[in-house]
Amino acid sequence: AQSVSQHNHHVILSEAASLELGCNYSYGGTVNLFWYVQYPGQHLQLLLKYFSGDPLVKGIKGFEAEFIKSKFSFNLRKPSVQWSDTAEYFCAVNARGSNYQLIWGAGTKLIIKP
Amino acid sequence: GAGVSQSPRYKVAKRGQDVALRCDPISGHVSLFWYQQALGQGPEFLTYFQNEAQLDKSGLPSDRFFAERPEGSVSTLKIQRTQQEDSAVYLCASSLHLATAYNEQFFGPGTRLTVL
Repeated sequence: AQSVSQHNHHVILSEAASLELGCNYSYGGTVNLFWYVQYPGQHLQLLLKYFSGDPLVKGIKGFEAEFIKSKFSFNLRKPSVQWSDTAEYFCAVNARGSNYQLIWGAGTKLIIKP
Repeated sequence: GAGVSQSPRYKVAKRGQDVALRCDPISGHVSLFWYQQALGQGPEFLTYFQNEAQLDKSGLPSDRFFAERPEGSVSTLKIQRTQQEDSAVYLCASSLHLATAYNEQFFGPGTRLTVL
């Protein structure tokens, strides 16, 4: 069965630190990849997505993610975090051909200390 | 409306009670999804509607779960004879077009159901 692993359930960083959140998936075929974010008290919203082409994708608020096919990974990065990045981050994978169904990771809670 | 809304935001039910959770999608959105998110987990797909047609209910965990979208807009997720394992956040999402992974899903705030 397909699965998505997010290695860290909780991450605490100071402002201006660099961020990398891990995401690995288990599926041998072609995939679409997503990062969603949920700020405190707000809805889940799309941060960035990868369908094809350049494996380095840029999203909103300075986030980027790199798809490394050989490692089945889609890690999220930001060079310098801000207090407002405090949120829960979810990685999700769609196996091409399965249309809309997303397989989600368990999420990583990121806390940025001011 | 401006976004997807869900009601109630919180629901406490005694084991064995029936509950109904409402979702108001973004006006004009064709596709509507329900997800279940257990504590400390990511969302899990329950069911999908294209307008009023329920095209996929493969994620519904048991026959106690029932969803409808009779007029192709508002949807209701009903859980009969609730059990403690039903405690979770129930998320609704809508999408403008027919459901594919390429069409962004817009999520509501969720309903947190606690079954005592």
